[in-house]
Amino acid sequence: AQSVTQLGSHVSVSEGALVLLRCNYSSSVPPYLFWYVQYPNQGLQLLLKYTSAATLVKGINGFEAEFKKSETSFHLTKPSAHMSDAAEYFCAVTRTRPRANQGGKLIFGQGTELSVKP
Amino acid sequence: GAGVSQSPRYKVAKRGQDVALRCDPISGHVSLFWYQQALGQGPEFLTYFQNEAQLDKSGLPSDRFFAERPEGSVSTLKIQRTQQEDSAVYLCASSLAGTSSYNEQFFGPGTRLTVL
Repeated sequence: AQSVTQLGSHVSVSEGALVLLRCNYSSSVPPYLFWYVQYPNQGLQLLLKYTSAATLVKGINGFEAEFKKSETSFHLTKPSAHMSDAAEYFCAVTRTRPRANQGGKLIFGQGTELSVKP
Repeated sequence: GAGVSQSPRYKVAKRGQDVALRCDPISGHVSLFWYQQALGQGPEFLTYFQNEAQLDKSGLPSDRFFAERPEGSVSTLKIQRTQQEDSAVYLCASSLAGTSSYNEQFFGPGTRLTVL
């Protein structure tokens, strides 16, 4: 079975400060890992994904995440927060080799709401 | 189309009513997923289609939930005899490939269902 835990349902940072959103996963098989962002009343948008190539993954809008197998973590970071980064962030996991009837369904964490103070 | 579209965007139903939620995936996308997102929670998988075949419906919470994709493009999620616990945002996602899980899933804006 797979699961995702996001530590902290709400994170608040000042504009220009480091953003760190935590994600730990549990998986009995090698996983693919994703970070999605959700703005109010919008669907989820992919920020970045880990698919077993480089462990440090760079995404859109200056975000990056590092896959650490020993810590079963995939934390999301951004060096300098911008007001436009305020949104809900979701970490998700899927199997690298899904069963034929699963098509790579995503298992999501509970989400972390990021607030950015001016 | 340019992206995944869903309709209606908002739906208010009285308890016991039937509702139908529509998803138009990106043209040519083989895979289609439905997820349910309760308030303050992450999305949870409901069901998966590969073309017109519903290959996984393990996430459907009860037999009141039914999904179809008869021609392998548009999909409809139907909820019969709605209950208050069905209130949630229903998200549809599509991806280009079949079983490959590294392919990005593109999400629609969702349908917010409120059952009174």
